[in-house]
Amino acid sequence: DAGVIQSPRHEVTEMGQEVTLRCKPISGHNSLFWYRQTMMRGLELLIYFNNNVPIDDSGMPEDRFSAKMPNASFSTLKIQPSEPRDSAVYFCASSLGPFGAYEQYFGPGTRLTVT
Amino acid sequence: GQQVMQIPQYQHVQEGEDFTTYCNSSTTLSNIQWYKQRPGGHPVFLIQLVKSGEVKKQKRLTFQFGEAKKNSSLHITATQTTDVGTYFCAGPGGGGSNYKLTFGKGTLLTVNP
Repeated sequence: DAGVIQSPRHEVTEMGQEVTLRCKPISGHNSLFWYRQTMMRGLELLIYFNNNVPIDDSGMPEDRFSAKMPNASFSTLKIQPSEPRDSAVYFCASSLGPFGAYEQYFGPGTRLTVT
Repeated sequence: GQQVMQIPQYQHVQEGEDFTTYCNSSTTLSNIQWYKQRPGGHPVFLIQLVKSGEVKKQKRLTFQFGEAKKNSSLHITATQTTDVGTYFCAGPGGGGSNYKLTFGKGTLLTVNP
């Protein structure tokens, strides 16, 4: 199994540009999570999906952030327009089920730098 | 809402010394999970504890779940340089939902060879 796949691994963009992060979860996993990690705030859950349906997006910082999961094998996190304070590492994770009883498998992350 | 607190935030040890990190939840947990993140890497699942008072071992790592299921600890015996990284505990819940894990801020362990 290839594990959770994320692309790109690194993204450098200018303020105001649109950024799209991509994730392919582990096959057979029903839940997908997007996290953001910074030194100041630690690991923050942005949104999670269960069976491709967004369940809770209360962690999405503002309307500039949006996430989709059109099918079981693909999800995107979009930031439009991007701002310097969005600079962080964004992780996608998947698990067998929606409940906290299942371990989460994290992807390698996308390091986003907004200048 | 639920909070998961970890102490210490940082710990620097000499190789061969022991290390312990503690995790406390504001609410009773159905289970607790531990993850390790190497510098520049991503969190990797280590273990899950479910039962009150449970103790599990993985080689030099010992994990405990408190009797009240509100606290947990990770103890590493005779640290090695390969143990370097940030150790996170995580519990289900947060925001009124059991669908997600709430992660602590983590303990960064550095080991001096």
